Amino acid sequence: ETGVTQTPRHLVMGMTNKKSLKCEQHLGHNAMYWYKQSAKKPLELMFVYNFKEQTENNSVPSRFSPECPNSSHLFLHLHTLQPEDSALYLCASSQDIGRSITYEQYFGPGTRLTVT
Amino acid sequence: KQEVTQIPAALSVPEGENLVLNCSFTDSAIYNLQWFRQDPGKGLTSLLLIQSSQREQTSGRLNASLDKSSGRSTLYIAASQPGDSATYLCAVRQETSYDKVIFGPGTSLSVIP
Repeated sequence: ETGVTQTPRHLVMGMTNKKSLKCEQHLGHNAMYWYKQSAKKPLELMFVYNFKEQTENNSVPSRFSPECPNSSHLFLHLHTLQPEDSALYLCASSQDIGRSITYEQYFGPGTRLTVT
Repeated sequence: KQEVTQIPAALSVPEGENLVLNCSFTDSAIYNLQWFRQDPGKGLTSLLLIQSSQREQTSGRLNASLDKSSGRSTLYIAASQPGDSATYLCAVRQETSYDKVIFGPGTSLSVIP
């Protein structure tokens, strides 16, 4: 596979469930991002990882727990979510080191999450 | 605090028309600005990225300009086609904190055949 992939593409979960979203990038990038896109709201940056280290947490509730075991994989662990957490969750990656740093982001297709 | 706005929120044009989408930001201390398109229910596709030192970038029928001092960027689409119908988003990366990326709300474009 090429680019940025996300699984699952669709997820329905109850408020008491625990689930995980997975993102994998095949671009050799070192930085990975989680975004939330709710209806009629701009994309919201949630977390940023650079070389597996979390460098940004945009005041995200603790019911969202990110994990970055290596530069190619990023997870978002979900537990005791609320209906307002229903949204499209997007993963992105970028190359943040090297001689020609542009920080250009490449996005995955997203996971459509519905919390019932 | 950086705020990014996009005007108009929605736009409907006949096929073949040239059009301009606008993006404004309140804090001119940006590292770069990136334009994306998003099809319904899908991820984002990168269109153009302009570094803060650049004035414009071109790719095919697309041309993006950046006026950093006035906090504005425009995306020009020439000879629009129905396949251009999508939501167009701009995003700025902060100069003082490279990990901070702020998106605008988007412009929904519909090109009528």
